[in-house]
This record gives sequence, structure tokens and C-alpha cells, in this order.
Amino acid sequence: KNEVEQSPQNLTAQEGEFITINCSYSVGISALHWLQQHPGGGIVSLFMLSSGKKKHGRLIATINIQEKHSSLHITASHPRDSAVYICAVRYGSNYKLTFGKGTLLTVNP
Amino acid sequence: DSGVTQTPKHLITATGQRVTLRCSPRSGDLSVYWYQQSLDQGLQFLIQYYNGEERAKGNILERFSAQQFPDLHSELNLSSLELGDSALYFCASSVTGGPENEQFFGPGTRLTVL
Repeated sequence: KNEVEQSPQNLTAQEGEFITINCSYSVGISALHWLQQHPGGGIVSLFMLSSGKKKHGRLIATINIQEKHSSLHITASHPRDSAVYICAVRYGSNYKLTFGKGTLLTVNP
Repeated sequence: DSGVTQTPKHLITATGQRVTLRCSPRSGDLSVYWYQQSLDQGLQFLIQYYNGEERAKGNILERFSAQQFPDLHSELNLSSLELGDSALYFCASSVTGGPENEQFFGPGTRLTVL
């Protein structure tokens, strides 16, 4: 049973649309990561957060500890945002990351 | 460019063989992580090293082993390879390896077992 659930699995949007990707997890996380993986395969760390909200350019990540839920938002989406977005969590003092299955985002021009 | 390097980029080999994947962490990072990404299992944590010592172990098979050397580079050894070992293998590094540390990923090694 995967302890990190992402939704949706696939998302297609038109350029300029506001995008939201969701991640739910079980108890006691110490950190949540959002990662981006482009078709070439490379992985880039977008955010690491344990509370509140972080913003970087057009990307915003939020986390609600009580609801055990995080969202990744992309404003004014662009075709270059097309990628797989992966949520990963670290439970308690455990060093390992547990990954969601990813959300494939396609932004059409 | 994350500053983490992995070699080789691609590796094609046969069942039963043994291969070694290499990772050099970012300058100043003491911790190295290995991950496997397969089509059916997604990304899975294999093992973590910190300053030469094993720190955490995940879903790593007994046929696989890893080590981190004094210069902090790491190697992942995969032996008695099976078709199901075909996957992307990522290395990541972080400063200390604690939960508060961001991880920086290398470009990955694509292993194909025929």
C-alpha cells in the first residue's frame, strides 16, 4: 500500500491555466518534497516544506499538517511546465523518502 | 545542473551479469542516497550513506550493495542481474542527510538488462 497518494494521475491543461496537483499522506511527516521530472528523466527538487507555504516564481507549494495534505500550484502554466510532478514525504525521524506515483502534466500551447 | 554526477549514463548488459554505478555528490555534501525508478514500482529508496557510513536502508535487494568512499563518492553494485532490475537509478546528495536537508538529484543511470 503506497502511503503517499497523488491526484490527479494525469492532467492536461491549456497554456495560461492555473494548475493544482494534490498529495495526501499518513501521519507524522517531518518533511514533504515536491520534485519535477522531465521527459529526459532528470529529477529536480522544487520545494521542501514542513509547514505553511513556499513560492518560487510561478510555483507555489502549500501544506496543511492537520489535514495531511499538500498542494502544488502552477500559475500561468506554460508548455515547458510539462513534466511529471512527484510528491515525497519523510516520516518522523526516518531518513528515507516515500514517493507518490507522480502526476503527469501536459500543457498544450 | 544539480552538481551531482553519475556515470555511466546508460548501461546495457545481460542477465546474470554484475555492474557498478558511480555517483559523485555535490561539493560539500556528506550524504548520498540511491534510488531506483522502475515503470511498475515508481521511485523507491534503496540506501543512504553519510560520511562513509551506512545510515538508512530501504528496499534494497541482497544482490545489491553500495559503499561510500573516503572522497565521498559512492558506488552501487548490482549483481546476478535479472530482467526486472532494468530501471533508472538515481543518486542524490545532501549536506548532512538529516530530515531537514534538501536532496539534489543526479541525472540518473539507465540500466537495461537483456
